[in-house]
Amino acid sequence: ELKVEQNPLFLSMQEGKNYTIYCNYSTTSDRLYWYRQDPGKSLESLFVLLSNGAVKQEGRLMASLDTKARLSTLHITAAVHDLSATYFCAVDIKAAGNKLTFGGGTRVLVKP
Amino acid sequence: ETGVTQSPTHLIKTRGQQVTLRCSSQSGHNTVSWYQQALGQGPQFIFQYYREEENGRGNFPPRFSGLQFPNYSSELNVNALELDDSALYLCASTNLPGGEQYFGPGTRLTVT
Repeated sequence: ELKVEQNPLFLSMQEGKNYTIYCNYSTTSDRLYWYRQDPGKSLESLFVLLSNGAVKQEGRLMASLDTKARLSTLHITAAVHDLSATYFCAVDIKAAGNKLTFGGGTRVLVKP
Repeated sequence: ETGVTQSPTHLIKTRGQQVTLRCSSQSGHNTVSWYQQALGQGPQFIFQYYREEENGRGNFPPRFSGLQFPNYSSELNVNALELDDSALYLCASTNLPGGEQYFGPGTRLTVT
């Protein structure tokens, strides 16, 4: 059974500093996703990572994928208050019918 | 292009009742997946429908059932509601079972 673990579960950030969220998964996957969720809202897609060594960047967020280590990271550069949200990674396996398996989420709070 | 829509936005039901949630897939998408997100947790896969047939199911009891219609919209039905069914229910659509999923805004179900 595919398991996806994120850490930390909660991250209190200071504005202007850099932080990393880690996502480990237990079996070979076809794709890894990062989502953002604001309280009471749905999931906003941030990145889709398809292959080993993939790196994607959007603004202050950068995601990378190491399929050999089964590890993805979401790096936040110079955190700002607007980045406060919960971040989820999710993994899918085509052979399993594209069912997404999510991590437990990392709640991020950026303080001034 | 219309995105994924869900209805209703919120609803409150009593334990033992039945509920139907609805999802309209994004234009051109023929695959719909449903997820349950309990408070403070990551979404969990319930099931997926592809061309009106169930195409994969997560670890949910039979009282969770679904339908997909010829226009690819979908329903999630839950019978004999339990307090633990209180959650945000998310629908996601894609243009084929292996494609990237696009999430709707969700339906918040509260069971009292």
